[in-house]
Amino acid sequence: KAGVTQTPRYLIKTRGQQVTLSCSPISGHRSVSWYQQTPGQGLQFLFEYFSETQRNKGNFPGRFSGRQFSNSRSEMNVSTLELGDSALYLCASSWGTSAEQYFGPGTRLTVT
Amino acid sequence: AQSVTQPDIHITVSEGASLELRCNYSYGATPYLFWYVQSPGQGLQLLLKYFSGDTLVQGIKGFEAEFKRSQSSFNLRKPSVHWSDAAEYFCAVPRGDSSYKLIFGSGTRLLVRP
Repeated sequence: KAGVTQTPRYLIKTRGQQVTLSCSPISGHRSVSWYQQTPGQGLQFLFEYFSETQRNKGNFPGRFSGRQFSNSRSEMNVSTLELGDSALYLCASSWGTSAEQYFGPGTRLTVT
Repeated sequence: AQSVTQPDIHITVSEGASLELRCNYSYGATPYLFWYVQSPGQGLQLLLKYFSGDTLVQGIKGFEAEFKRSQSSFNLRKPSVHWSDAAEYFCAVPRGDSSYKLIFGSGTRLLVRP
């Protein structure tokens, strides 16, 4: 079974721009979660989607948003990029009620 | 609030030596507990999980972990470390309001001496 895939793997953007990251979960997984990883803050939860509905949201500004499609694929969007948004963005998928999450390789976002 | 503490930022062991990485958690009920490993530039790979039952759980790559409720600990162990085990290790517990939100420890970076 294919794992979680994320595109693109690397991205360089300029302050003020916006960016969209994509995540395809493991086949059959209906929950998709997003995490931000930085050296200073570590791994922080962004949001979680299940059956196209956002069920949980972390403590991030409204510039961070996401959505999930009917095929469980998910996208997250960051508008008005700031230097501090430079991070590894990780997507994780989970099946049904399982708390067990499987992570993709991440998208490395660099904001200049 | 739920929290996870990994007291060791770095650990260095010699190849072939045994390994124990510490994890302490704060959780209101019996938690689900996870260990993940992250190689440089990569995502997180699930090593093992504890849901209930036997407190000693076996994972992939020869790792095991023991859940000790009295000590609020879930330490990761490996009897003989290989150079390829060099990576960063994260302990995680779900938030109390949803099992889909994971709280991660700050991680322990493992260095392996040849």
